[in-house]
This record gives sequence, structure tokens and C-alpha cells, in this order.
Amino acid sequence: AQKVTQAQTEISVVEKEDVTLDCVYETRDTTYYLFWYKQPPSGELVFLIRRNSFDEQNEISGRYSWNFQKSTSSFNFTITASQVVDSAVYFCAIRPVIQGAQKLVFGQGTRLTINP
Amino acid sequence: DADVTQTPRNRITKTGKRIMLECSQTKGHDRMYWYRQDPGLGLRLIYYSFDVKDINKGEISDGYSVSRQAQAKFSLSLESAIPNQTALYFCATSDERVETQYFGPGTRLLVL
Repeated sequence: AQKVTQAQTEISVVEKEDVTLDCVYETRDTTYYLFWYKQPPSGELVFLIRRNSFDEQNEISGRYSWNFQKSTSSFNFTITASQVVDSAVYFCAIRPVIQGAQKLVFGQGTRLTINP
Repeated sequence: DADVTQTPRNRITKTGKRIMLECSQTKGHDRMYWYRQDPGLGLRLIYYSFDVKDINKGEISDGYSVSRQAQAKFSLSLESAIPNQTALYFCATSDERVETQYFGPGTRLLVL
């Protein structure tokens, strides 16, 4: 069985601060995908990134960066110079890379509030 | 226009009523999913379908049924709604090539 833990239920920071959202996962699969989704106050789920387990290279996209460490089963998400528009609930998710396996297992989410 | 649409976006119903939530997609994906979101629990899979003839139960399928009317349409039914089915429901799509699930805007359901 797979499990995703986002220990930070809520985070509140002041605009322009850097903030890191933690994600720790458990899986017995040797290959898997990891995902981050954003859920703004309007409620929709927005895909942010997918990472293959065999690719441990960190990724940066603008103010967003992701640190994948297989040794610690973590896939953390950092927002640099946070903005009010970053306020949302962020979900980390995992699924195995095997044919027919499409179920995404989500963490409980981290509610991020960026204060002006 | 949105690639994945859900109707209705909001619905209030009474205990015991039958209700259907609909999902349509223009992404051309063959795989579709229904999830529910409850506060503090993340999203949980209700049903998924790999193609029109393939329907599979997820982890919380009791009390729900689905219909895949066409590649682009996947409906979720609550045969006899109960209050603990009050939640935010999401439809999602993917295909074998894309590997990523893309979500609709969600349907807020309140069962009184």
C-alpha cells in the first residue's frame, strides 16, 4: 500500500518569504510517480509537477522548486519570494508506474496562507 | 473552454434522493476517474474507467455507481443520497501516454 504524509496542516507566512511544503511518502513499488497539485480558494485542482522515481534531479520553475530525495522518501516543494496568489491548499500524491495502476494516493494537503 | 467540465457545480439535495453528477472532457483521454474530497482527508478514489467497457471500483465505491456513456463522458450516481456523502466531488482524466491526471472544477454536493 502507498501512503503520503503532509505533516504541515497549515502554514502562514508574510509575502516575499520563502516557504517549503513537506511531503513524505511510503511505497513498496520500485518505480512510481510523484505529483504536486494546487487547490486555490476557487476550489479547482491544478496540476503543478510530475516526477519519476528514477529521476532525482531537482526541478525549478520560476519561483517554484522541488527537491526529490529518494533516500529519505521525500518530495518537498519550495516557493521562493511568496506572493498572495500562492495562497492555496497544496496536495502531494503518488502512484506506481505499472500498467493498469492509475490510482493516485493523496496526502491530506497543506493549507498555505500568504499574508500581505 | 475548459478541457474537463463537471455539472452541476453545486447541488443541494435531500436524504434518499437519487442524484447524478456528470463529467465531460475534450482532452481525448481514454481514462476517467471520480474522487471525493473531504476536509482533512485529501482526495479518495470512488470509481475509475480505462475505456467505455471498463469500470473499476475505487477505495470508497459503496453507495455510488457510475456510467461511462462515451469516451468523453463519465457520470457518477448516488442512488439514495445520505448526509455523509456531502463532499466536493472531482472528475479527472488521463491517458496512457500522458500519465498525469487532470481534474475538473469540482461539484459541491450537500445532502440534507
